[in-house]
Amino acid sequence: ELKVEQNPLFLSMQEGKNYTIYCNYSTTSDRLYWYRQDPGKSLESLFVLLSNGAVKQEGRLMASLDTKARLSTLHITAAVHDLSATYFCAVEGNNNDMRFGAGTRLTVKP
Amino acid sequence: GAGVSQSPSNKVTEKGKDVELRCDPISGHTALYWYRQSLGQGLEFLIYFQGNSAPDKSGLPSDRFSAERTGGSVSTLTIQRTQQEDSAVYLCASSLVGYSNQPQHFGDGTRLSIL
Repeated sequence: ELKVEQNPLFLSMQEGKNYTIYCNYSTTSDRLYWYRQDPGKSLESLFVLLSNGAVKQEGRLMASLDTKARLSTLHITAAVHDLSATYFCAVEGNNNDMRFGAGTRLTVKP
Repeated sequence: GAGVSQSPSNKVTEKGKDVELRCDPISGHTALYWYRQSLGQGLEFLIYFQGNSAPDKSGLPSDRFSAERTGGSVSTLTIQRTQQEDSAVYLCASSLVGYSNQPQHFGDGTRLSIL
């Protein structure tokens, strides 16, 4: 069964600092997604990573995928308050399913 | 429509009652997904439709849960004889094609509370 683990689950950062969120998964997959969820809101797609070595950047966020290590990272550069949200990674399984990590609740403090 | 639409947005019902949740995907999206999110938790995958068919229903938590999709568009998730542990936000998402390089577009969810 496909399992997806994110860490950390909670992250409190100072504005201007850098940090990385990790997403590990248990079985072979080359489709990984990152989503953002604001409190009381639904999920918003951030990145779609489709191959080993894929790297995508949008603003202060950069996501990468290593399919051999079964690891994706979401790197935050020079954090700002607007990035405060919960971030989820999701991995496609081989059985027409999609498994989400538990989420990383990010708080950026002034 | 402009986005995925779910109704009702909130539903409060007594334990033992049946509930029906509706999802209207983005026009032209052939793939539709249902998830459940409990308070402060991640998303639990329930079921995926490609067109009107669901290849695998094993993600549904129990036989009290069923889902259907008609006309390749609207989907309903039905929970029979609701229990308190069914309380959660039920999210629907759609994408152009199932399990491709297309991200899923999520609705705002139905917040279900079982008393």
